[in-house]
Amino acid sequence: QKEVEQDPGPLSVPEGAIVSLNCTYSNSAFQYFMWYRQYSRKGPELLMYTYSSGNKEDGRFTAQVDKSSKYISLFIRDSQPSDSATYLCAMRGIQGAQKLVFGQGTRLTINP
Amino acid sequence: GAVVSQHPSRVICKSGTSVKIECRSLDFQATTMFWYRQFPKQSLMLMATSNEGSKATYEQGVEKDKFLINHASLTLSTLTVTSAHPEDSSFYICSARDEGAALGNTEAFFGQGTRLTVV
Repeated sequence: QKEVEQDPGPLSVPEGAIVSLNCTYSNSAFQYFMWYRQYSRKGPELLMYTYSSGNKEDGRFTAQVDKSSKYISLFIRDSQPSDSATYLCAMRGIQGAQKLVFGQGTRLTINP
Repeated sequence: GAVVSQHPSRVICKSGTSVKIECRSLDFQATTMFWYRQFPKQSLMLMATSNEGSKATYEQGVEKDKFLINHASLTLSTLTVTSAHPEDSSFYICSARDEGAALGNTEAFFGQGTRLTVV
């Protein structure tokens, strides 16, 4: 079993829809949870960051962490064609040297 | 904001030659940098953790003699693919951890990636 599981999609939705992206994980030591967006042939860019459990909102993006269920989500409201990209969840433990563990990434297409 | 610069963005080399990829943190000091490899439509696979002033830590299955990592300064790490073969063709990405950043931004900084093609 992988430490982090993410449905690779592809996921295709119409413009304006609410998008829900999810990851599950098995390592209870994970404390930092990140969502990255990666456009084709580019490096990932950090979208959202959450420490421990809870919700965080930034514009059209909301990140949720449920540590009891080992489940994290990213919601995108009012989705735009420019949101079309691969979304990667990543997480790590609290100690500074620990590496990020990435999900497989979900390919998202927003159709105009 | 802080930026990580990776160079070159694209390189084509002949089989058997070596290729060096540079990763620079432009406005912060990075004691720790990471090198990833990404195959098409797949996630990032960590190859090694680069530590300034000490040897890199390689992930299981990654040949340290083939993928040489040098982190000689707090702003520069290099990955050299030695005796490259077509199966080494891939997208290589570096990231730098900014330990001095505000909580939440330590993991923010990735390079733009290098597409290596070995012919």
